[in-house]
Amino acid sequence: DTGVSQDPRHKITKRGQNVTFRCDPISEHNRLYWYRQTLGQGPEFLTYFQNEAQLEKSRLLSDRFSAERPKGSFSTLEIQRTEQGDSAMYLCASSSRLTGDYGYTFGSGTRLTVV
Amino acid sequence: AQTVTQSQPEMSVQEAETVTLSCTYDTSENNYYLFWYKQPPSRQMILVIRQEAYKQQNATENRFSVNFQKAAKSFSLKISDSQLGDTAMYFCALASNFGNEKLTFGTGTRLTIIP
Repeated sequence: DTGVSQDPRHKITKRGQNVTFRCDPISEHNRLYWYRQTLGQGPEFLTYFQNEAQLEKSRLLSDRFSAERPKGSFSTLEIQRTEQGDSAMYLCASSSRLTGDYGYTFGSGTRLTVV
Repeated sequence: AQTVTQSQPEMSVQEAETVTLSCTYDTSENNYYLFWYKQPPSRQMILVIRQEAYKQQNATENRFSVNFQKAAKSFSLKISDSQLGDTAMYFCALASNFGNEKLTFGTGTRLTIIP
């Protein structure tokens, strides 16, 4: 297993465009999390899935944001009508409750720049 | 609501010396987990050490150890024999053991090891 993969690593988009990010978690991990990290800050929770079910969404996740995890495997995070304030690093992490291990594995993130 | 506070935005220390990073937190839960994560300039968040709140013994991982003071809600990280590779952002994080286990992060401490 190569860990948590995120694609793309960088994305530059014009304001108003839609963008989609992908996260491939560790295969045996049933939980998947999305976080947003702005410069100089710690990551902020956006949403998380247990298998294919989206169990919680932060109030930070406006109606322009949507996340999916079809079949409980990879996940996508889409931002519609991007705004300059959406510029940030988007981090994905996965974990497993099945083993009782509270280790979270993070991906390298997708850096979004909205111009 | 859970909060994590890191009051040291930046620290620096000479190579081979010992450094302590501070973290305080607030939660109404009785069972929770505390973490220190390292984020080098390459961006990927790496778990440094983890502490279960129900365990009185402080966690240690090689050169890294914590001082967990549950009553004071304090969770500091000590790095002994610091190395150049320890240069990174360090984040303290908290996860509840009830319901979802999303991580709540502090704002981070930028640690620089000086040769």
